[in-house]
Amino acid sequence: GGIITQTPKFLIGQEGQKLTLKCQQNFNHDTMYWYRQDSGKGLRLIYYSITENDLQKGDLSEGYDASREKKSSFSLTVTSAQKNEMAVFLCASSMDRDTGQLYFGEGSKLTVL
Amino acid sequence: GDSVTQTEGLVTLTEGLPVMLNCTYQSTYSPFLFWYVQHLNEAPKLLLKSFTDNKRPEHQGFHATLHKSSSSFHLQKSSAQLSDSALYYCALSDRGSNAKLTFGKGTKLSVKS
Repeated sequence: GGIITQTPKFLIGQEGQKLTLKCQQNFNHDTMYWYRQDSGKGLRLIYYSITENDLQKGDLSEGYDASREKKSSFSLTVTSAQKNEMAVFLCASSMDRDTGQLYFGEGSKLTVL
Repeated sequence: GDSVTQTEGLVTLTEGLPVMLNCTYQSTYSPFLFWYVQHLNEAPKLLLKSFTDNKRPEHQGFHATLHKSSSSFHLQKSSAQLSDSALYYCALSDRGSNAKLTFGKGTKLSVKS
């Protein structure tokens, strides 16, 4: 089996700050995702990447950048943190682009002061 | 575009009673449907996935039937257990969407003794 590791697990930043979350997977999966989890709003897709150096915008990409420099890693940057961005960010990966079975990390909780 | 609608908010049940969490969807193509479960402080993980041949998927006592006529994929279990308390997400993968998974807002199930 494999694992998805997200770092940091907790991130505290100041309003207006640029903040980066990192994700590593050892499944050797092609596709990786960043979702934002807010209570009562479900999981909303921010960015995904179907291969190294590929980036696809999700429904919530404004205010975020992403980077997929290696197959095993996918990072997400909050370009200017806002107080209403306190949420949990979930990284995931999938093997087969058609089946939709995702493997998730445990999440990174962002708090903006 | 694609969308998923779930039973809203919190469902509270007494142990031993049947569970039914509703999920309906809208999709352009013929999608795969999924149920993901997230226990407290854990990563979401796949619980069930629809089959293309109309078989009824089952796992850990849960089952769901894809009804294309009503665009539904309700999650059911005959007898709730305390350990079933978790957040449940219904999701769809549109085969024309190149790996993108769309989630519902989630239903929190609380099972009490």
